[in-house]
Amino acid sequence: RKEVEQDPGPFNVPEGATVAFNCTYSNSASQSFFWYRQDCRKEPKLLMSVYSSGNEDGRFTAQLNRASQYISLLIRDSKLSDSATYLCVVLLYNTDKLIFGTGTRLQVFP
Amino acid sequence: GAVVSQHPSRVICKSGTSVKIECRSLDFQATTMFWYRQFPKQSLMLMATSNEGSKATYEQGVEKDKFLINHASLTLSTLTVTSAHPEDSSFYICSARDFGQRNSPLHFGNGTRLTVT
Repeated sequence: RKEVEQDPGPFNVPEGATVAFNCTYSNSASQSFFWYRQDCRKEPKLLMSVYSSGNEDGRFTAQLNRASQYISLLIRDSKLSDSATYLCVVLLYNTDKLIFGTGTRLQVFP
Repeated sequence: GAVVSQHPSRVICKSGTSVKIECRSLDFQATTMFWYRQFPKQSLMLMATSNEGSKATYEQGVEKDKFLINHASLTLSTLTVTSAHPEDSSFYICSARDFGQRNSPLHFGNGTRLTVT
């Protein structure tokens, strides 16, 4: 079983739609969680950290469920520019090792 | 915010030559930097952890004699791909965290696309 698992997609959604991605992690020693966005042939860029109480940044909402060991990302009112691969990233406690999911591809169409 | 700079962004070299990639943290000190590799349509794979003032830690399956890492200062790490071969063609990305900030996320350089002909 992979340490961090994501549905690779692609998720094809129309502009204005709401879309949600889930990510599960297997290591209970996971400490911190992040969502990164990666455009084709570019480096990943931090989208948002994920806090225990859940957090929102504009159209993006991230949630963490430690009991079930998953995190989620909700995108409301999708824009064409949201098309990218979204990476779920887990930082293990007491290490500096970040574990990446394979990413979920989102394609927003007009 | 924290910024990581990587150079060069793209390099094409002939088989058998060596290529050096630089990674700098611009506004914070990074005692540890990370080197990742990403093949097309695959996830980022950690190659090694670069430690300032000591030897790098390599992940299983990564040849330390082929991928030389030098962490010369608190703001600079270099990765040298020695005797490059076409199968080394990939996207190499460095990253660093600002350990002065608790739970600081990882910041990435803009990556180096290596093509070995």
